[in-house]
Amino acid sequence: GEDVEQSLFLSVREGDSSVINCTYTDSSSTYLYWYKQEPGAGLQLLTYIFSNMDMKQDQRLTVLLNKKDKHLSLRIADTQTGDSAIYFCAEKGGYNKLIFGAGTRLAVHP
Amino acid sequence: DGGITQSPKYLFRKEGQNVTLSCEQNLNHDAMYWYRQDPGQGLRLIYYSQIVNDFQKGDIAEGYSVSREKKESFPLTVTSAQKNPTAFYLCASSIPAGGPGDTQYFGPGTRLTVL
Repeated sequence: GEDVEQSLFLSVREGDSSVINCTYTDSSSTYLYWYKQEPGAGLQLLTYIFSNMDMKQDQRLTVLLNKKDKHLSLRIADTQTGDSAIYFCAEKGGYNKLIFGAGTRLAVHP
Repeated sequence: DGGITQSPKYLFRKEGQNVTLSCEQNLNHDAMYWYRQDPGQGLRLIYYSQIVNDFQKGDIAEGYSVSREKKESFPLTVTSAQKNPTAFYLCASSIPAGGPGDTQYFGPGTRLTVL
């Protein structure tokens, strides 16, 4: 079946890099997504990667995809306090629906 | 100013009452979705609609109903049959083209609390 797993919590020092990991089960997924959710708000699309790509970079964000291991990661360079949020990994399932992980809460401390 | 709006932001309901959550988008997207979010969990799909006058059940449709009479509107009714309705409800929309253009964009959410 379809399932997405993430670690629940990550704490980093301001200025360091953050790496949030995700594993998924559906090898037929065409797109994988990273969303950010700030407290009490909706989800903001950060980036996505097509399944035939290994890496995608967008300013401070780098997405790495290991399709063989079904592993996706999001690296945030020079992490700032404004990056504190919950980060959701999602894969595209059938009928265009998204399958979400439980979210990784990123805490950035001085 | 294009986007997805949800209202109200906070909603309180007594047990046994039905309540309707609003979702409107002016992005000209064909597809719309409703998700439920519980603490410490990912989002779960309640209902989705790929086109006007058509909608399908998601993974947790029991106790919910929807309508899609207009392209820009996809209201969700939480009925008294929903056993545990207290949650954060998120609406999303997309163009269902099968490529990156069908990325889902989310509204700000409605927090429903049953008293």
